[in-house]
Amino acid sequence: ETGVTQTPRHLVMGMTNKKSLKCEQHLGHNAMYWYKQSAKKPLELMFVYNFKEQTENNSVPSRFSPECPNSSHLFLHLHTLQPEDSALYLCASSQDWTTDTQYFGPGTRLTVL
Amino acid sequence: QKEVEQDPGPLSVPEGAIVSLNCTYSNSAFQYFMWYRQYSRKGPELLMYTYSSGNKEDGRFTAQVDKSSKYISLFIRDSQPSDSATYLCAMSDDYKLSFGAGTTVTVRA
Repeated sequence: ETGVTQTPRHLVMGMTNKKSLKCEQHLGHNAMYWYKQSAKKPLELMFVYNFKEQTENNSVPSRFSPECPNSSHLFLHLHTLQPEDSALYLCASSQDWTTDTQYFGPGTRLTVL
Repeated sequence: QKEVEQDPGPLSVPEGAIVSLNCTYSNSAFQYFMWYRQYSRKGPELLMYTYSSGNKEDGRFTAQVDKSSKYISLFIRDSQPSDSATYLCAMSDDYKLSFGAGTTVTVRA
């Protein structure tokens, strides 16, 4: 899995903590995505960045704050999360945001206590 | 109504059986259809990509698209224990990718 990497792989945090998820892609792509994956539910698109500019924010609560300093790196800053935010957070990249083929990282398993 | 419907299973089959997975959708603007495979504790990986109605074959995998019925299928022939995973269908209308909930498949040795 050297194409798209994510750290940490597992994270346990309290509701008052602040933490960040990191994603890095080594594919030379221009678009990056954050998805939330909960059990028995479809992948939920959270944010899309194309050439470092945010092109989509799918009504995500402000306790999730994305940051894309360059086309290779994407962060998801977490603050005052709720237990229902516990899920697998997946990062993906594609050549550009209109390209259908997305390559996913291994995900960060987040547990909010 | 969900945009993409996929039976979550689980589906358990003996080794060597044919695995049949399917998704239905409601958005007639979807033109590109994909199947992703997700192993436990891993991210989804692209398995098959199709554009038009019809069949596409890749080794033991066959993807079918029937746009008139808004129905897509994935068949796995001669299934192996290594095929045990969650299979997600996905489809695109040029603007966004919409996923099914995934079907968990176990192939018993």
